[in-house]
Amino acid sequence: AQSVTQLDSHVSVSEGTPVLLRCNYSSSYSPSLFWYVQHPNKGLQLLLKYTSAATLVKGINGFEAEFKKSETSFHLTKPSAHMSDAAEYFCVASDYKLSFGAGTTVTVRA
Amino acid sequence: KAGVTQTPRYLIKTRGQQVTLSCSPISGHRSVSWYQQTPGQGLQFLFEYFSETQRNKGNFPGRFSGRQFSNSRSEMNVSTLELGDSALYLCASSSGTSGGLGETQYFGPGTRLLVL
Repeated sequence: AQSVTQLDSHVSVSEGTPVLLRCNYSSSYSPSLFWYVQHPNKGLQLLLKYTSAATLVKGINGFEAEFKKSETSFHLTKPSAHMSDAAEYFCVASDYKLSFGAGTTVTVRA
Repeated sequence: KAGVTQTPRYLIKTRGQQVTLSCSPISGHRSVSWYQQTPGQGLQFLFEYFSETQRNKGNFPGRFSGRQFSNSRSEMNVSTLELGDSALYLCASSSGTSGGLGETQYFGPGTRLLVL
């Protein structure tokens, strides 16, 4: 069984500064890992997916994530936050179903 | 391609009633999964359908059921509604071709159910 732990329930950043969202996973085999974003009253949008082809994965809207097997981590970063990045972010592991982390709420200060 | 659509978007029901939610997947996708999202429990997997058969199931009571039609559209039914069933119900579709393993799932906007 796979599980995911998001280490921060809330992250607050200033516009234009970097964003780091931390995620650790546990899995008995090489997992499929995703980051999804959910804006208020919306469904989930795929940001990026780790497929084992490359440890650094680039996603939409300037986000990227690095898979580190030795640390069982899949942290999400963005070099410069924008106001539109304010949302909830989910780290997700997948076998036959998606297993979601508890989510990290990002607020962006002007 | 059109995305995943869900109807209705909002529902208000009373305890004891039943409800049916509908999901139309992305064209060509044969797998449909359902998730429940609540503030207390987060996002939890309900079940997955592929080719009109339930392929995987989460840990929900039998009051939660679903089905899939030959055009891959899916419905989810909740009988004997309880207050705790108030949630956002999300549907996701994927191609289903790799047995569901590690596939990217694309989500609809959700149906928000309020049970009074």
